Amino acid sequence: GAGVSQSPRYKVAKRGQDVALRCDPISGHVSLFWYQQALGQGPEFLTYFQNEAQLDKSGLPSDRFFAERPEGSVSTLKIQRTQQEDSAVYLCASSLNENSPLHFGNGTRLTVT
Amino acid sequence: QQQVKQSPQSLIVQKGGISIINCAYENTAFDYFPWYQQFPGKGPALLIAIRPDVSEKKEGRFTISFNKSAKQFSLHIMDSQPGDSATYFCAASRHDNFNKFYFGSGTKLNVKP
Repeated sequence: GAGVSQSPRYKVAKRGQDVALRCDPISGHVSLFWYQQALGQGPEFLTYFQNEAQLDKSGLPSDRFFAERPEGSVSTLKIQRTQQEDSAVYLCASSLNENSPLHFGNGTRLTVT
Repeated sequence: QQQVKQSPQSLIVQKGGISIINCAYENTAFDYFPWYQQFPGKGPALLIAIRPDVSEKKEGRFTISFNKSAKQFSLHIMDSQPGDSATYFCAASRHDNFNKFYFGSGTKLNVKP
């Protein structure tokens, strides 16, 4: 079956614009994570869902970042009023359950100009 | 404050040689230590992982060595191949959120033919 799918692959936004990044996890995977990877750095945790419940959003950098997974499948990460420091690759990952290995998508590269 | 420190930042190894990457952590609550491999434009992929109840784990050419008292762990790649050229990340997590990882900053490995 298909892996974790993210869209778009690349997004260029002008500073101040809102963006929405989509993640399609592997079918049947209960857990879904968002990570942010700055250039040349390791991924950093943003938020975690178990089904539709957002159980941990402690990594979201500011209240401009919002994530949802309304039906426990597809997830969207929204960034309002984008800033240059938001430029990064946003990685989505899913796992069958909370104790299973994590499968990462190829990410969305966001560039804020 | 970075919870997992990784070194070296980059590594050049001849084909057939041994690649060694080191990581150190401070939080004694961490109890799962995976290594991820990432190729350009791709998401991280799980390579091998260890729990602190064992001091070594080997899978093919990849070995994790774990020193609980020193709070250090390392990845050894035996008989390194050009196809191993990638960025490697160590990570750590706690049992209460298995896939909420704290990643190291990455090691870019270049295996020369």
